[in-house]
Amino acid sequence: DIQMTQSPSTLSASVGDRVTITCRASQTISSWLAWYQQKPGKAPNLLIYQASSLESGVPSRFSGSGSGTEFTLTISSLQPDDFATYYCQQYNGFLWAFGQGTKVEIK
Amino acid sequence: EVQLVQSGAEVKKPGESLKISCKSSGYSFTSYWIGWVRQMPGKGLEWMGIIYPGDSDTRYSPSFQGQVTISVDKSINSVYLQWSSLKASDTAMYYCARSKNPYGLTDGFDIWGQGTMVTVSS
Repeated sequence: DIQMTQSPSTLSASVGDRVTITCRASQTISSWLAWYQQKPGKAPNLLIYQASSLESGVPSRFSGSGSGTEFTLTISSLQPDDFATYYCQQYNGFLWAFGQGTKVEIK
Repeated sequence: EVQLVQSGAEVKKPGESLKISCKSSGYSFTSYWIGWVRQMPGKGLEWMGIIYPGDSDTRYSPSFQGQVTISVDKSINSVYLQWSSLKASDTAMYYCARSKNPYGLTDGFDIWGQGTMVTVSS
């Protein structure tokens, strides 16, 4: 099975900061990677798909990049609404795996 | 409006059976895969399995194969997740989610149900 390793597990940042979260796959997964935001008590929300495509309605301060085994989610200027947990998810032949999550906290 | 509406919270005893539902509306039900995701209390997301309502093609994560059953009822646009004998370790929030792309599974899941909390306790 492909394992996804997210880093960091927790990130403390201030409003306006540039934030980067990394997701590494144990083997090449092409660009079949998505990013989700989850707030407490809520279902996840799709932010990015195919590694770098912005989901409709998602603010442009969110961006994704990468291919192969290393991927990043960047928030260009952190807003109060962005404090949440972020997950990467890879797809590989009817198998999906989530990263363990990155909690973005207020500094 | 495209939405997935899940059945309500359940409290069960170990060894009991359970079937929770995910009802779809606002789109062509048979054209999109629907998956199930587990989130244990305070923990991350785990993919469990997925079904294509059009032909009932079902795939399971190796971690959940044989532990749960995913099924569909096209007549009422609903997908189900079922346990035959619950364990305390099945206590979790369960989400259903729709594939974004009707032609494949590479684009993630764009529509999510509100979640069903399952509590298993003696």
